[in-house]
Amino acid sequence: DAKTTQPNSMESNEEEPVHLPCNHSTISGTDYIHWYRQLPSQGPEYVIHGLTSNVNNRMASLAIAEDRKSSTLILHRATLRDAAVYYCILRDQTGANNLFFGTGTRLTVIP
Amino acid sequence: EAQVTQNPRYLITVTGKKLTVTCSQNMNHEYMSWYRQDPGLGLRQIYYSMNVEVTDKGDVPEGYKVSRKEKRNFPLILESPSPNQTSLYFCASSLSRVPTYEQYFGPGTRLTVT
Repeated sequence: DAKTTQPNSMESNEEEPVHLPCNHSTISGTDYIHWYRQLPSQGPEYVIHGLTSNVNNRMASLAIAEDRKSSTLILHRATLRDAAVYYCILRDQTGANNLFFGTGTRLTVIP
Repeated sequence: EAQVTQNPRYLITVTGKKLTVTCSQNMNHEYMSWYRQDPGLGLRQIYYSMNVEVTDKGDVPEGYKVSRKEKRNFPLILESPSPNQTSLYFCASSLSRVPTYEQYFGPGTRLTVT
């Protein structure tokens, strides 16, 4: 699976929108873009995924660049419960379902 | 409630004493895997299983064994634990290997080997 690059940390004020960027310049045409997050003292949890089009679900939105070399996870209104490490992961259809977790972005939400 | 459970959640043991960490899922998932998480290294896959009796090595399999005799269970076995296996371990499951399916993670097992 191709690798991703994320900022080590970001801060956001509570109830403000948060845009978490991810670069994946070596993405292939069949790679899906997945986002997981890990709250303190918990296992990772799935947030959202997409292939080419922007995606929305109850947790977040995923905006994918037209060339697919970058994407942005959008939390529309950050809450204190959103403080976590966010991981951007590429998943290849031919892979063994391995999720390559880098070090992710640690999001701090300021009350 | 759909979930992945792991036991024990915390374990302190001594070098060389065999141990097993259990993992069970109640979602009838085909795919299960084990990860370890270490500071600065992120999560790394140890072993995975695509179905009953089908297992394969991940990125860091040395010192570990697994078995998949039943669909719901995927235990991780450390035959002779060493201090470098001190880590936080996560079990995960997914409906299948297809990348459109999300993985569900257990709560983690913190292992300390002295």
